[in-house]
Amino acid sequence: EIVLTQSPGTLSLSPGERATLSCRASQSVSSSYLAWYQQKPGQAPRLLIYGASSRATGIPDRFSGSGSGTDFTLTISRLEPEDFAVYYCQQYGSSPRITFGQGTRLEIK
Amino acid sequence: QVTLRESGPALVKPTQTLTLTCTFSGFSLSTSGMCVSWIRQPPGKALEWLALIDWDDDKYYSTSLKTRLTISKDTSKNQVVLTMTNMDPVDTATYYCARIGYHGIDYWGQGTLVTVSS
Repeated sequence: EIVLTQSPGTLSLSPGERATLSCRASQSVSSSYLAWYQQKPGQAPRLLIYGASSRATGIPDRFSGSGSGTDFTLTISRLEPEDFAVYYCQQYGSSPRITFGQGTRLEIK
Repeated sequence: QVTLRESGPALVKPTQTLTLTCTFSGFSLSTSGMCVSWIRQPPGKALEWLALIDWDDDKYYSTSLKTRLTISKDTSKNQVVLTMTNMDPVDTATYYCARIGYHGIDYWGQGTLVTVSS
């Protein structure tokens, strides 16, 4: 069973800074099926990145994804105030069919 | 425009069976590649995937919960139903239904909070 481990648990940064979020899988994950989501309080998650590196519709280009195999990264190049939220990575395809990481909370420093 | 909406009881008692319905529009679950999934989130905690049903009526379940879950679809009504048996207070969560399209979980319902309490 694939387990996704995200780090750090909490990331404290200031607007304008660069954020780097990590997602490590316990087994190799197909890059085609690695996604990142953003969730703000009281809202459903929103798809940011699919296929490890492709931005979903309407997602600003300050968001980028990279990685392969067991190590994946979400980078936010210059943080805007609206980017402070919880971020989840997710894999689809390997048993169990879908797995989420435990999340990284991005908070304002 | 794709929309999904969850409906079901807000409160259930321990040991009862929970039945949730996802009513969707803007796509057909008979289209190749389309799936609908249920995902939950306990208050203040992470997302947890529960179950998935695809256009071909294949069904997949969380390993830890599969003995308690049943997912089904009614394509003519654009609905997906999830039942979870033997509810416990630890099952208190917001339950989301979501569409899995060609590029991940691209549309989510607003979620419905289910509280398990006597």
